[in-house]
Amino acid sequence: ETGVTQTPRHLVMGMTNKKSLKCEQHLGHNAMYWYKQSAKKPLELMFVYNFKEQTENNSVPSRFSPECPNSSHLFLHLHTLQPEDSALYLCASSQDLGTGDEKLFFGSGTQLSVL
Amino acid sequence: GQNIDQPTEMTATEGAIVQINCTYQTSGFNGLFWYQQHAGEAPTFLSYNVLDGLEEKGRFSSFLSRSKGYSYLLLKELQMKDSASYLCAVRDRDYKLSFGAGTTVTVRA
Repeated sequence: ETGVTQTPRHLVMGMTNKKSLKCEQHLGHNAMYWYKQSAKKPLELMFVYNFKEQTENNSVPSRFSPECPNSSHLFLHLHTLQPEDSALYLCASSQDLGTGDEKLFFGSGTQLSVL
Repeated sequence: GQNIDQPTEMTATEGAIVQINCTYQTSGFNGLFWYQQHAGEAPTFLSYNVLDGLEEKGRFSSFLSRSKGYSYLLLKELQMKDSASYLCAVRDRDYKLSFGAGTTVTVRA
């Protein structure tokens, strides 16, 4: 248990569906992140939030829409996804925004399959 | 962009030592991390190096040479539970963190 909880663990959706991924951290951290992990590829940073404000959007397609209502919760809204979006989506948090030895605490991820 | 290279797979025997190398080319340097990820689980922090040299934590050690753009993670007295993916990640001058693709280590009895 890392203190970062993601739901659902698995999700299968069609290309016309709308779904949301949820992340909650119980660590009192100020920064939260969404990463995409595809097989045999490096973790790709998607979005960064610091004190609920989005500080980074790493050229992510608009079919992915993040929401951060408070420092403890982060959502990723999905709509009209493509099969190539199938991947493990990881949420992470850190005390502050990645300075010095600031380490990330990851959730177990949502394994997404787009049919 | 950043370039971080590590071997895709390694296999070793229980009780042995394995060294996972990571080379990087980044815009500046502000630290290197190693994470462990078991299949279906969250990556978890193992080590952090920002100065040259060896950091030891029990059975795991991490080494850094900034001039060579090189690090390794050393796993000693391997146990079956060490079978996992090991991710190298580097923070650049803007404090952006980039990950390698990970090295899958399989420990055999």
